Amino acid sequence: EVQLVESGGNLAQPGTSLRLSCVASGFTFDEYAMHWVRQAPGKGLEWVSTISWNSRYIAYADSVRGRFTISRDNAKNSLHLLMNSLRTEDTALYYCARDVGTSGWSGYFDSWGQGTLVTVSS
Amino acid sequence: EIVMTQSPATLSVSPGERVTLSCRASLSVITNLAWYQQKPGQAPRLLIYGTSTRATGIPARFSGSGSGTEFTLTISSLQSEDFAVYYCQQYNNSPPSFGGGAKVEIK
Repeated sequence: EVQLVESGGNLAQPGTSLRLSCVASGFTFDEYAMHWVRQAPGKGLEWVSTISWNSRYIAYADSVRGRFTISRDNAKNSLHLLMNSLRTEDTALYYCARDVGTSGWSGYFDSWGQGTLVTVSS
Repeated sequence: EIVMTQSPATLSVSPGERVTLSCRASLSVITNLAWYQQKPGQAPRLLIYGTSTRATGIPARFSGSGSGTEFTLTISSLQSEDFAVYYCQQYNNSPPSFGGGAKVEIK
């Protein structure tokens, strides 16, 4: 069974940093691209970032580019999101999601974690 | 960025009724369109990809159609467990983008 478990969400002040993690199990992690998708309270879904299986391809939403950094450690089956210069508009539930493709990336998501909540407030 | 627009935003339906949800893309996404279901307090679940292919374990009452800029998700006979929010998402262009969601609620 595919499992994705996020952690690291917390209350943070504007301008500070947080690091989110996602630990994967139940599948061969290093065969899949991975994504972060967020959902502000009561709002819809917003794609945040993507990393290919080998970390050679990385992409960010315009809203986070230059502030967030995605990375992965295939040896530890883990995905990370370093969030710097946090803004109040970054407040959201952050989901780790698996890309459906096993080579390259397809851009849609067949497995999701339960999310970790980031609240940015002074 | 391709903007995805869903309609209606909310639909009040009785169990057993047929439901049709619409999704429009600001540019053609060919058939690279997925649908997700999200229930309160849960993560989204992939329902359909490639416009019309059901994901693993998805009941046959869910079907998708369309191409280019106009897409539809149909639930042939709404069950109690289908009351949820439904999102469309295009993955033809980067960045991938979601519609605003359509809430299917009990009438």
